[in-house]
Amino acid sequence: GAVVSQHPSRVICKSGTSVKIECRSLDFQATTMFWYRQFPKQSLMLMATSNEGSKATYEQGVEKDKFLINHASLTLSTLTVTSAHPEDSSFYICSARDVAGPDTQYFGPGTRLTVL
Amino acid sequence: TQLLEQSPQFLSIQEGENLTVYCNSSSVFSSLQWYRQEPGEGPVLLVTVVTGGEVKKLKRLTFQFGDARKDSSLHITAAQPGDTGLYLCAGRRGFNKFYFGSGTKLNVKP
Repeated sequence: GAVVSQHPSRVICKSGTSVKIECRSLDFQATTMFWYRQFPKQSLMLMATSNEGSKATYEQGVEKDKFLINHASLTLSTLTVTSAHPEDSSFYICSARDVAGPDTQYFGPGTRLTVL
Repeated sequence: TQLLEQSPQFLSIQEGENLTVYCNSSSVFSSLQWYRQEPGEGPVLLVTVVTGGEVKKLKRLTFQFGDARKDSSLHITAAQPGDTGLYLCAGRRGFNKFYFGSGTKLNVKP
């Protein structure tokens, strides 16, 4: 099956710093990538939809200036958490959708962010 | 408020037992997907159902999409310890909107 990678898998940073998370589709081109956030023992919450070459679409309540998304190529999307604070600590997961259809999304392994 | 409610939230059963997980909503979805997620990893797709009333089988797992495309169920026959994990349903509305259920944590004891 299709493979999606995320980097880093874990990151610990100090409050106030910015963290960049990469999401790559390794063996297919993804015109659309999705970013989710998952709190411990909870489900996934869609944060934003990222389309290659255009601005991301953010879900209600997600701060655009705090969670910067860039989708510069068909295989790479990045999420930058700016001026991170402890409440931003979470498990961030991306998914990538290929051209096979609207339901064919493949998830990355996730990135555990801990802000001290 | 979650658009999709899953029940039960937790399930602990013995190996060999059967179980059913439910995913309910008052909203209609274009499609519904079931995933299994291990701790510290991303969800892995099990199945996608698209047509109202559709039933799909994947070995010991049976998935059903409600006639009105508002609800779904996952039935596992003769559960095994390897079935342990977090089961998530996700519904799609429109082209880009995916809504995940609250999750069911399954523990199958040997």
